[in-house]
Formats: sequence, structure tokens, C-alpha cells
Amino acid sequence: NAGVTQTPKFQVLKTGQSMTLQCAQDMNHEYMSWYRQDPGMGLRLIHYSVGAGITDQGEVPNGYNVSRSTTEDFPLRLLSAAPSQTSVYFCASRGNGYTFGSGTRLTVV
Amino acid sequence: ILNVEQSPQSLHVQEGDSTNFTCSFPSSNFYALHWYRWETAKSPEALFVMTLNGDEKKKGRISATLNTKEGYSYLYIKGSQPEDSATYLCAFLGGGSYIPTFGRGTSLIVHP
Repeated sequence: NAGVTQTPKFQVLKTGQSMTLQCAQDMNHEYMSWYRQDPGMGLRLIHYSVGAGITDQGEVPNGYNVSRSTTEDFPLRLLSAAPSQTSVYFCASRGNGYTFGSGTRLTVV
Repeated sequence: ILNVEQSPQSLHVQEGDSTNFTCSFPSSNFYALHWYRWETAKSPEALFVMTLNGDEKKKGRISATLNTKEGYSYLYIKGSQPEDSATYLCAFLGGGSYIPTFGRGTSLIVHP
């Protein structure tokens, strides 16, 4: 089993560019979520989904969109990248505990 | 926003030392408490999922206890090894929500 597959691992964007971070899981988990991790801030929830077709905002949703058309996929879209979105992003799905993707290190210049 | 505190923030120990750290969380409307191990440049990995007051879990040299009435969990590492060096995160689920609130972690460094 692959678990949670997150791509890309690294990305550099210019301010104003858009991009999509991909997340896929093969464990048939209903709950999926996106976090960002910044120094001294811990993990902060961006958006989450409790099943296909259902999404909701977390603690820091501004500047990000999500969709959940299938149980497996939960992409995160940056609409117009800003330097404040420089961070490490983790996708996670929940079974008995959370399974995290390998992370995406995003730099916005 | 629920208050989940981890202490200490960081810890340096010598190889062979035993150590423990704390996760404090709201004592009402408890659902579950998770512990994760997070190595540098990797993603968090689940250690324990604890749901019942008085739960004790063990995996090798690492164990955890849970007190939901007073709102704390302890993580113990017996005979620390350099490969135990990581950040240990706890996550609280409760307070009427199934969305976890993560603590900021305890960074453990084990010196050879």
C-alpha cells in the first residue's frame, strides 16, 4: 500500500502564480486534511474533508482552495501565491490515527 | 481554539537515559489522544491512539499513559538511543469536534 502520496516534494513559485498540490490515498479513508507547518507554529489546519463532495475550512484557509471529487484525491490549490505561503505542507488522512504524506516544501519568491 | 500544551519544548539527554514528556489537553468532552513521532525532513508517524482513561500503550522502549479526568498524557522513552531523536507530537480530539488539535511538540535530542 502506498498510503498517502503527496506531490511535488519541492516547488518554487513566483508571487502571483497558481499551483495545485496533489494528495492521494489508497486506504479508503473518508477524512482528509491539509496542514502547513511553520517554524514555531506547529501544524495548522488549512482545509479538511469528511468525505467526497464535502469540504470545510480549518484555521488558516485564506488563499487556498480544495475540492474532493473522489474519496482518494484531495488537491490543494494556491490561487495567487504570496511569500506568506512559503511553508511546508502536509496532507493527511485519518484511519486509526493519521497517516501523513511526505510533505511539500514550497517557496514563494 | 482548544489549548493543547506540550512540555518541555525541547530536551537533550544522553544515550541510555530514560526520559518523559507531557501533553496537556482539555479535560472535558474527550474523544481521543494521539502521539506522533516526527523525524527531521520526514512526515509525522503515528505512535499511539489512546481513547480510554487509564490507557497504557507500549511499543518497544516507548510507552504512553492517559489521564482524561485531569487532562494529561505522558510519553516515556526507556534507555534513549540516538535514533530516538525526533519531535514528539500529541494531538487531542474532543471538545465536540473530531478535528485534531496538535500540540507544538517536544524536540528530543539524544547524544551518543
